Amino acid sequence: DAGVTQSPTHLIKTRGQQVTLRCSPKSGHDTVSWYQQALGQGPQFIFQYYEEEERQRGNFPDRFSGHQFPNYSSELNVNALLLGDSALYLCASSLGTGDSGNTIYFGEGSWLTVV
Amino acid sequence: DQQVKQNSPSLSVQEGRISILNCDYTNSMFDYFLWYKKYPAEGPTFLISISSIKDKNEDGRFTVFLNKSAKHLSLHIVPSQPGDSAVYFCAAGENSGGGADGLTFGKGTHLIIQP
Repeated sequence: DAGVTQSPTHLIKTRGQQVTLRCSPKSGHDTVSWYQQALGQGPQFIFQYYEEEERQRGNFPDRFSGHQFPNYSSELNVNALLLGDSALYLCASSLGTGDSGNTIYFGEGSWLTVV
Repeated sequence: DQQVKQNSPSLSVQEGRISILNCDYTNSMFDYFLWYKKYPAEGPTFLISISSIKDKNEDGRFTVFLNKSAKHLSLHIVPSQPGDSAVYFCAAGENSGGGADGLTFGKGTHLIIQP
């Protein structure tokens, strides 16, 4: 049973560039959420995708956008990268219906460094 | 405004003893709470969760207690083992209409188990 998988694991980008991160949810899950974790902080919610639409969004600028595909996999795109975007980006998967508070699983994350 | 707070950045416990990690929250609308364990360079690993309608949930060495009137929860690990050394995150979420919303995390507590 495949867990949550993310790619790439590490990448370095230059200020002003754009980046795309990818996530495949755990088997049987249809909802993908993205989080940003800066050093020394807890993960912060960016947005959530369900049925190929953004269902909920945290306090992040429009430079952060996403997409969900029919197979439930998802992409996170960040435009016009800033140094402050350097962080671990985590993908979490869950079920889109019911009381799924105990079935939220995270991937290993993608480390983004902006120079 | 931090809705989930972990006021102890670190905690040192002797092997075999009980580890108690604390978490406070301010949002009375949270429907469930989760604890995650995180090793460096890995994604958070789900440990245990509790619904807001319960006051205790136990899973092996891990027990979570919820005191709704005090808006406080704690994770007890008994007995503590060297492999328990990691950063522990408290997280909270709401179910809105269908499925789990984005989680709100605390900043984490670094648990160190000493031999």
